[in-house]
Amino acid sequence: DAMVIQNPRYQVTQFGKPVTLSCSQTLNHNVMYWYQQKSSQAPKLLFHYYDKDFNNEADTPDNFQSRRPNTSFCFLDIRSPGLGDAAMYLCATSSSGRLYEQYFGPGTRLTVT
Amino acid sequence: AQRVTQPEKLLSVFKGAPVELKCNYSYSGSPELFWYVQYSRQRLQLLLRHISRESIKGFTADLNKGETSFHLKKPFAQEEDSAMYYCALTGDSSYKLIFGSGTRLLVRP
Repeated sequence: DAMVIQNPRYQVTQFGKPVTLSCSQTLNHNVMYWYQQKSSQAPKLLFHYYDKDFNNEADTPDNFQSRRPNTSFCFLDIRSPGLGDAAMYLCATSSSGRLYEQYFGPGTRLTVT
Repeated sequence: AQRVTQPEKLLSVFKGAPVELKCNYSYSGSPELFWYVQYSRQRLQLLLRHISRESIKGFTADLNKGETSFHLKKPFAQEEDSAMYYCALTGDSSYKLIFGSGTRLLVRP
């Protein structure tokens, strides 16, 4: 089945230790997104790639970076995680013809100790 | 400011009862409104969009621009409707979904 895959599903990192979350997709969608979702809150868009063009949200902390080496893969790098970065991180994709219909991965739950 | 408000964190109803999940929005232009749903152990997925004006799994939602609302309704709730429901909007930047904080619907037998 075509889908959005996120690895790992659970990630524990130490305060200040860089961590990378990965997302892959078999939908061949040209747009990929990263959201942060804290407990009982709305998913919040961090950034997205439209093809190779990177688009950062204005309020996304500099601590968060992303890479998209090819159509299928996208990475979220957190350079120096703080306790406040503990959250569920959701990857999503969409095609340019139907941007509003985003296909989500299962998420990676990040714990910062 | 662009905002989506879902005032209820939890809505509990009995099977067969009508259900209405509330959503209010704040947006200066002409937004497009959506409902996304997340069933237990499944991914977040699109349920319906206001432009389609369709009924999905018995759910409908009408955009009321005067009241800036987009409530989700179903006349007879089923146990399989139990899930987390998120209202969302897009505006000028059609890629950007702005989500509400979600309402958990629990349909009891």
